[in-house]
Formats: sequence, C-alpha cells, structure tokens
Amino acid sequence: QVTLSESGPALVKSTQTLTLTCTFSGFSLNTVGMSVAWIRQPPGKALEWLALIDWDDEKFYSASLKTRLSVSKDTSRNQVVLIMTNMEPVDTATYFCARAGAGAIETMDVWGQGTTVIVS
Amino acid sequence: SYELAQPPSMSTAPGQTARITCSGDALPRQYVYWFQQKPGQAPVLVIYKDTERPPGIPARFSGSTSGATVTLTISDVQAEDEADYYCQSSDNSGVLNWVFGGGTKLTVL
Repeated sequence: QVTLSESGPALVKSTQTLTLTCTFSGFSLNTVGMSVAWIRQPPGKALEWLALIDWDDEKFYSASLKTRLSVSKDTSRNQVVLIMTNMEPVDTATYFCARAGAGAIETMDVWGQGTTVIVS
Repeated sequence: SYELAQPPSMSTAPGQTARITCSGDALPRQYVYWFQQKPGQAPVLVIYKDTERPPGIPARFSGSTSGATVTLTISDVQAEDEADYYCQSSDNSGVLNWVFGGGTKLTVL
C-alpha cells in the first residue's frame, strides 16, 4: 500500500523559512521513473503545483516560485524535503506531497492528506 | 504564465450527465489529468492521459479531447460525485512545468 504523510510547523512568521517533510512508504524513489511532487492549496482556492524531484535527483520548480523553493530527497529514509524561503501570509495553505511517475500514469496518483501552514 | 481555464461551477441532477471542460493552448500536444477533491480531503486522480481511468474509478467517469479543449464526463451522476474537479497539464516549454486549472465545483441538485 502506497502512503505519503506531510509534516512540519503549523505556524510560521513572515520572512521565516518553511521546511516540510514528506515521508512515504510502499514505493521507492530509487525506482526508475518515480518522483514526488509538492502541491499547495490556499483556503478556498485552487491547487498549485510547486516542485518535483525524481529518481535521478532531477528537480523541477514552479516558475513563479522558483527562487524561493528547494527540494531534496533522502532515499534511505524514504523522505522528501521542501524548503520555501521568505514566507508571507499569502503562502498560508495546505501543503500536499504526492507520488508521481508510477507506471503509465506519470502524474500524481497518490496524495498525502496534507499539512496546513499558517503564516502570521 | 500558462493557464488552464475551467468553468467555476456547474450543477447537475442525479442520474444526468455532467461535462466539465478544460481549455489551454498547449492541450493539443499535452496530456490532461483530472482530479476530484471533496471538502477537507486530498485530491483523487480520476482520469489520466486524457481518457484513461485509474483502477477503482467508476466507469461513469470518462475523458475526451478535442483540440485545445478536454472534457471530463460524469454519466449517471450520483450525489457522491459532488466535489471540486481540477484539470492538470503541462505547457509546451519542454521543461516539466505542471499547471492546474482553477477548478470546477460540481453541485448535484
């Protein structure tokens, strides 16, 4: 069974750096083609893709947030970490991680439940 | 920046058919994926690569494409289908850059 779980601070202050961890099971980021994506959703608003890291350690970022984002992986611990700098109240959102690249599906096929981050 | 356009809302009676559209300039060359999201829950993938259904998704969910517009069709709509639906795709930049549509809230009357 594939599961993902996001963890991190529920509250951060303006200008601070946010660090979120995605811990997963049921698949390996050593598998060719596999990747983990980060997505966020402000309250009452649409989903927004943030970043993706793949099995080969290639990293991709949303063009609008590229300068503030960094993603890394620790395959031995089955974890992916997202860092977002210079947080502002508009970054208040639920942050999700999701598996991508499984078989023919390619996109995000299994999601974590999300973690809510409030920026004050 | 690249955008995908969806109607903000629509409503359908139980047993009828709902068709939710998603438009974008790159869609003739890029796959579209559809997600269902119920309040307080994570999104669930219901259609991938324009027309394919993941395991466990009811057959009443289907996808189609016509040029720069793709459509998610829900036949025989059930009360449990009331949710927000998001399309997701990529631009034509050649670098992975995923984009979501603004979402469509489907209300089952």
